[in-house]
Amino acid sequence: SQKIEQNSEALNIQEGKTATLTCNYTNYSPAYLQWYRQDPGRGPVFLLLIRENEKEKRKERLKVTFDTTLKQSLFHITASQPADSATYLCALHNNNDMRFGAGTRLTVKP
Amino acid sequence: EPEVTQTPSHQVTQMGQEVILRCVPISNHLYFYWYRQILGQKVEFLVSFYNNEISEKSEIFDDQFSVERPDGSNFTLKIRSTKLEDSAMYFCAGSGTAQETQYFGPGTRLLVL
Repeated sequence: SQKIEQNSEALNIQEGKTATLTCNYTNYSPAYLQWYRQDPGRGPVFLLLIRENEKEKRKERLKVTFDTTLKQSLFHITASQPADSATYLCALHNNNDMRFGAGTRLTVKP
Repeated sequence: EPEVTQTPSHQVTQMGQEVILRCVPISNHLYFYWYRQILGQKVEFLVSFYNNEISEKSEIFDDQFSVERPDGSNFTLKIRSTKLEDSAMYFCAGSGTAQETQYFGPGTRLLVL
């Protein structure tokens, strides 16, 4: 069966450090993968999209990698700030739908 | 910047009642979606809608659910006879021609008693 697994439910790091979140998937062949941020009680907000033929994508302090051989994406936040505290979701497109991982709750402590 | 809006923000209903959740997507979007998120759980895909018909639906989207876009602006999700387990946050989303990035609304929190 198809699965999307995000490495941990929660990740706590110190302000200024780099946060690294993992998304692994099985039985998918996605054309692209996305990362979203979700704050409590709010809808997901798009952050980055990476296509299957791209190895890495950057946007300001965010970096995403995509390894279709390992079936894994890594999401990095450099120079993390308390305002980065949120749940981060990876999402895969599968035909006409999008399936989300369970998310990793990131807490950045000052 | 245009936003997806959803009404109501909260709805409380009795088990067995019908509910209609409403969404106004961004005006130039062509693809529309409903998701639900049970408290503390992951965001789950329900249905996608394009060109006035359902293009994909999940195993959650059974005969109790229906969607329509009656007037070219509103996009609605109807639950015919609500069950306790339908209690969740329901998110509407839309995307443009690229069908890639989805823009989510703020959600409707549904509580079935």
